[in-house]
Order: sequence, then structure tokens, then C-alpha cells
Amino acid sequence: DIQMTQSPSTLSASVGDRVTITCRASQSVGTWLAWYQQKPGKAPNLLIYKASSLESGVPSRFSGSGSGTEFTLTISSLQPDDFATYYCQQYNSYTFTFGPGTKVDIK
Amino acid sequence: QVTLRESGPALVKPTQTLTLTCTFSGFSLSTAGMCVSWIRQPPGKALEWLARIDWDDDKFYNASLKTRLTISKDTSKNQVVLTMTNMDPVDTATYYCARLSRIVRAGGGNYYYMDVWGKGTTVTVSS
Repeated sequence: DIQMTQSPSTLSASVGDRVTITCRASQSVGTWLAWYQQKPGKAPNLLIYKASSLESGVPSRFSGSGSGTEFTLTISSLQPDDFATYYCQQYNSYTFTFGPGTKVDIK
Repeated sequence: QVTLRESGPALVKPTQTLTLTCTFSGFSLSTAGMCVSWIRQPPGKALEWLARIDWDDDKFYNASLKTRLTISKDTSKNQVVLTMTNMDPVDTATYYCARLSRIVRAGGGNYYYMDVWGKGTTVTVSS
């Protein structure tokens, strides 16, 4: 099974900061990776799919990059609405694995 | 507009079987390429993928839970049902269903991701 890790587990940042979250896979997943944002008590919301494709309606300050085993989610200028937990997710051999999550909180 | 809604018991006892229903609208599971997955999240913990069912009735399960899970669909009712046997307190979680969107890969095969989620239903396992 493919394992996913994320770093950092928690990130403290201020409004306007550039934020980068890293996701690593235990083996290559090509570009078959998605990113989700989750706020407390809410369902996850798709941000990025296929590593770098921005989901419709998602602000352009979110971007994704990477391939193989290392991926990044970048928020170019953190907004108050962006304080949340972010999960990466890989798809391989018909199944999915989520990362452990990165919580972005207010500095 | 695509929507999904999870329903089921809020409380189950240990060793009982959990049955959850995902009722959806805005798409049909009889359309080629359509799939629905179940995902769960214990309190304060990460998301865990559970199972998936495809338009052609193919089914896939989390290997670590496979012996306890069954996923099925009723296309006429726009519903997907997940059963989980032998429930334990560690299965206490919010259970979500989600629609999968598909990208056909250039070299063959498909890539799926979860583009629309239900709000989730909370299940507590306790005697």
C-alpha cells in the first residue's frame, strides 16, 4: 500500500503570508494526487486535482505542483478564510490514500 | 447541481452491523464513468477511504477493512449503501460519501478524485 506523509503537521501563519505544504508518497503516484481543504465540522472541499489542476471556483491563490513522490500545495497570499486543515490524497490501483493533514492556524 | 446526503443510525452497539445510505442527485450511477466512494474521519483524526462502487458495479475496498465492508447501489433510487460489520468503538467517526470525477489517462486507465462530498453523518459506537 502507498503511504502518504505531510509536512509540517501544523503551520502558524499570518494573513498575507505565502504558505507551502509538502506531501510525499512512499512510491511514485505520477500526478494522480489531489488536495482538499477542511474546516472544523465541515466536509472536505476539493482544491486541486491531478497535482496541479485548479478545481473550478477555487481561488487562484491556491496552486499545486509536483510529480512522482513529492508534491506541494502553495497559498500565495493567505486569507482569513484559508485557516483550515489541508489533506493530500493519492489514487493508485483503484484505491485512495489520504495524508495525515496539515493544520494552518493563525500566528 | 450535484448533491449527496448520508443517512444512518447515530448510535450503534459494539458487534452490531452499521448500514449507511448515500442518497444523491444531479448525476446517475448508470452513466459510464460515474463512481461513489465512502470515507470516514474519527474525531480529531485524518480522513480514511473506505470503499468505492462504479457505474458498472465494480467494487473496491480499503484492504485493511475489506472483510467488514460491503458496498452496493440502487440506481433506480440514486442510492449507495455501505454496510460495516462487527462495529467497534474505534469505528466511531463521521462517515462521508463523495462523487468521484474521472479523467481518462492518455496511456489507458482512469484517474479519479472526489469532487463533491456530502455533509457527513456521525456514528458513535458504544454500549
